Formats: sequence, structure tokens, C-alpha cells
Amino acid sequence: DGGITQSPKYLFRKEGQNVTLSCEQNLNHDAMYWYRQDPGQGLRLIYYSQIVNDFQKGDIAEGYSVSREKKESFPLTVTSAQKNPTAFYLCASSILTGYGTDTQYFGPGTRLTVL
Amino acid sequence: AQKITQTQPGMFVQEKEAVTLDCTYDTSDPSYGLFWYKQPSSGEMIFLIYQGSYDQQNATEGRYSLNFQKARKSANLVISASQLGDSAMYFCAMSHQDDMRFGAGTRLTVKP
Repeated sequence: DGGITQSPKYLFRKEGQNVTLSCEQNLNHDAMYWYRQDPGQGLRLIYYSQIVNDFQKGDIAEGYSVSREKKESFPLTVTSAQKNPTAFYLCASSILTGYGTDTQYFGPGTRLTVL
Repeated sequence: AQKITQTQPGMFVQEKEAVTLDCTYDTSDPSYGLFWYKQPSSGEMIFLIYQGSYDQQNATEGRYSLNFQKARKSANLVISASQLGDSAMYFCAMSHQDDMRFGAGTRLTVKP
């Protein structure tokens, strides 16, 4: 089955620790995205990547880092510099047609809680 | 800058009836895409329907249709014959040059 997987589903972190959220897709999509969702709010873009070894900051990149060493994988690291990391994190992917309006497909999400 | 507005924080509908979820957007670009996603309590965002800004016909996907009024910059989602499983958060989104923006969402509750 083609799709996007995220792990873990739930993650608990102590203050001052870095944690890495996994995102893998087998849809052969070129682009991948990370979003953050806070309770009662829409999604905000953290980082996105359209090609291996290249990525761009979104609206709220501070305190986060990413890598794109393989087309299928786009891990997100939440660093200790992120002031309020408790949130729901969603990974998405899409093809790139060049029209700029491609549908994004989402993984099941990771719920991060800082203790 | 692109902006998406969903003015209904919550909506109720009786099972088997139709419901319209409102979405307005603001952009000066002629080329853009409009999307609706469903987010059940499990959290996953499920793609429902897409409308391109140059599409002449309103998009339909099964029980979902998008009422696209370009001059009014609105892209309302219509769900026909509501089912209990339709209870969820619904998000409107707009994409331009690979930049997708989401509204704050509408929580739909279907009553039996």
C-alpha cells in the first residue's frame, strides 16, 4: 500500500532534549512538508523540501531542523531551542507538476508532549 | 499575502441532511488551488476535494461538492446526505506557487 508513515504516534520529551520525528513516504512524491497544529487551530508550515538535499524554511522554522538525504524520508528534529514544542505534528507529501497547486497528502501525525 | 477564512467554528446537521461549510479566501494571484480536508478525532488530514482557479465547473467527489464563486472569492464545501461518520473538523486550504495556507477549521457534528 502506498502512503505516508509517521513515527512515533506519541512522543514525550523532557525539557532541554532534542527529539526526532520520522516521516517516510512510498508514493514517489518529490515534495515533502512538515506542519505544526496547535489545539483549535489550523496548520502552520515548519519546513518543506522539493528535492533531495534541499529544503526551505516555512513560517515557524525557529527551533526546528530537517534533513532530506533520501527522496522517501524527511525527518524533523525538535531542538531544545523550540520554546513551546507541545503540539501535533503532521507530515505531508505531493508531486510537483510545476503549477504550484498540487494536492498534499498527509501522514497520521505525531503528538509531542513536553514534560 | 494569501488568507483563508472559515467563519463557522462549529456546525450541527441532522443525519441524512445536507450541510454547507463556508470558506472565503483572499489572493491577488490569478492561479491558485482550493482544497478541503477532513480531520477526524484520530488526527489524520484526509483530502476531500480540489478546485482549480481556472476550472469552469464546480468540483464534485461523491457526496462532496465545492461551490466555487470566484468573484466572491468563496469556496464552500457542500456535504449531501450527512452520515454520522462525517463528524470531524473540516479545513479549507489554498495553494499558490506550492505555498499552501489553511483556515482555522469548522467542527461539524452530525446528529442521529
